[in-house]
Amino acid sequence: DGGITQSPKYLFRKEGQNVTLSCEQNLNHDAMYWYRQDPGQGLRLIYYSQIVNDFQKGDIAEGYSVSREKKESFPLTVTSAQKNPTAFYLCASSGTVSPYNEQFFGPGTRLTVL
Amino acid sequence: LAKTTQPISMDSYEGQEVNITCSHNNIATNDYITWYQQFPSQGPRFIIQGYKTKVTNEVASLFIPADRKSSTLSLPRVSLSDTAVYYCPLLGGSYIPTFGRGTSLIVHP
Repeated sequence: DGGITQSPKYLFRKEGQNVTLSCEQNLNHDAMYWYRQDPGQGLRLIYYSQIVNDFQKGDIAEGYSVSREKKESFPLTVTSAQKNPTAFYLCASSGTVSPYNEQFFGPGTRLTVL
Repeated sequence: LAKTTQPISMDSYEGQEVNITCSHNNIATNDYITWYQQFPSQGPRFIIQGYKTKVTNEVASLFIPADRKSSTLSLPRVSLSDTAVYYCPLLGGSYIPTFGRGTSLIVHP
């Protein structure tokens, strides 16, 4: 069964701690993305990767870091430098980055920083 | 900078047809128009995509006029389960989708 998995679904952390959100896909997609969604808002792009060992900053990359060591995995680390990390985090993938880009999204991770 | 405009919210009743319009005045020549649906606490999912004229699938229809500066998502005979947020993200110069706030559709019994 192909798809994208994110874990955990809910995550609680104390302020000042780094936390890593997992994203795995078995769709054999080259491109992967991380978005952040706040209540009542749209999705904002944090980072994206078009190919293994390469990634680009999105609109709100400050306070976040990523790695893309394997095609199927794109973990996101929320660092203590992120001023307001509590949000719903969505990972997505697509075959490539193209004009007819169709993205497949994971179920999301809701991060709460106490 | 590519930007889309959609109504913030819409209300409908079960069994009615719902049309949601998205304006995208600065759409690039190569860009396709894609619509997504998002339920609360879930990731968005693809509904339909088109380049021009009309596209229909088992879920919805997409109407795109000749100038491609807008598009209309049509949901036939909506049910309560169609209550969701609908997005028409546009692609920036790097072909990365930019999602606005979308349109929150509420279907009433």
